[in-house]
Amino acid sequence: DVKVTQSSRYLVKRTGEKVFLECVQDMDHENMFWYRQDPGLGLRLIYFSYDVKMKEKGDIPEGYSVSREKKERFSLILESASTNQTSMYLCASSSGAGNQPQHFGDGTRLSIL
Amino acid sequence: AQSVAQPEDQVNVAEGNPLTVKCTYSVSGNPYLFWYVQYPNRGLQFLLKYITGDNLVKGSYGFEAEFNKSQTSFHLKKPSALVSDSALYFCAVSPTLFGGYNKLIFGAGTRLAVHP
Repeated sequence: DVKVTQSSRYLVKRTGEKVFLECVQDMDHENMFWYRQDPGLGLRLIYFSYDVKMKEKGDIPEGYSVSREKKERFSLILESASTNQTSMYLCASSSGAGNQPQHFGDGTRLSIL
Repeated sequence: AQSVAQPEDQVNVAEGNPLTVKCTYSVSGNPYLFWYVQYPNRGLQFLLKYITGDNLVKGSYGFEAEFNKSQTSFHLKKPSALVSDSALYFCAVSPTLFGGYNKLIFGAGTRLAVHP
């Protein structure tokens, strides 16, 4: 089974801090994704990566950046955390073909105080 | 704009009765269609997908989904609901014209509540 591991289940940070969310997958998948999930809005794509050192903006990239130095690891960075970034963050990975499902981690519930 | 609609925020059904969770989409071309389920404090789990072929696809945990091209719908069904099916369900679409990066557009989700 594919395993996508997010480093923290719960995280509390302060406004203005730089926040790192880490994600690791063990299936040698080319694609990796970061979403945020908010009630009533479903999942919204922040950034995705289709190869090492490659990244593409999703629908809501403002205030975020990403890093993919190794194929198995995809990091989401909140440059200067703000209270409106309080949310559930989900990482996913998939193989290269568009008809393959994405596999999700259990999420990080991030609170910005 | 491309979008996915799940018109019901919540669906209530009695255990043993059939269930349907609705999904319609507005996407160019012939998209790939997916259903996912999310249990409390967990990530999304893949249930089933439609790529091509038979309009009725079967997936995990006894779920199936019916694709209707003319109505651009992909409704999730189960003949007999279980209390353990209570969860949040997401419909997602992968537009095939997106350059093959497997990006997904998600609906807002439907909460299924199965009562004993």
